[in-house]
Amino acid sequence: EDQVTQSPEALRLQEGESSSLNCSYTVSGLRGLFWYRQDPGKGPEFLFTLYSAGEEKEKERLKATLTKKESFLHITAPKPEDSATYLCAVQTGSGGYQKVTFGTGTKLQVIP
Amino acid sequence: DTAVSQTPKYLVTQMGNDKSIKCEQNLGHDTMYWYKQDSKKFLKIMFSYNNKELIINETVPNRFSPKSPDKAHLNLHINSLELGDSAVYFCASSQDRQTVLNADLVFGPGTRLTVL
Repeated sequence: EDQVTQSPEALRLQEGESSSLNCSYTVSGLRGLFWYRQDPGKGPEFLFTLYSAGEEKEKERLKATLTKKESFLHITAPKPEDSATYLCAVQTGSGGYQKVTFGTGTKLQVIP
Repeated sequence: DTAVSQTPKYLVTQMGNDKSIKCEQNLGHDTMYWYKQDSKKFLKIMFSYNNKELIINETVPNRFSPKSPDKAHLNLHINSLELGDSAVYFCASSQDRQTVLNADLVFGPGTRLTVL
């Protein structure tokens, strides 16, 4: 069974204090890894897709990286508006059957 | 312009009742999904429909029945509601079943179901 584990469960940062969120996975046949942001009371919002080990994607203060076993979401000089829960998900399967499995998320709080 | 919309946003009901949640997407996507997010924020897929055809059914009790009248709509009907059904239910869509090629799922705002 595909497993996705995110750590830490919660992270509290001072504004400007850079850090990283971890997503480790155990799957067969990874087709892609996604990062989403979820604000309270809302649905997840897509951030990045990574397809293969060594790939990196950036968006503003966020940078996602991927290895064969894990992905990191690096947050550089975060601001209070970056506070949210960050979800990692993996897509597996092939042909007509493909599935997206989510981790439980890291709740990030950035304090002014 | 809401891409994926769900109604109602909140649903409070008694055990044993039957209820429905509606979902519509105006993105022209071919594939739609229902996800359940529990109190620990774990998001788990329930169903996936591609162009009105069921392609994923993840060991969901048969009290849950998805219905897709057309590819822009995927409704979720729940019979004989139980306390454990309390959760937030998210509808989502993607361009087609090969989500990776099209990069993302687009989620609706969620429906918070509370069973008393």
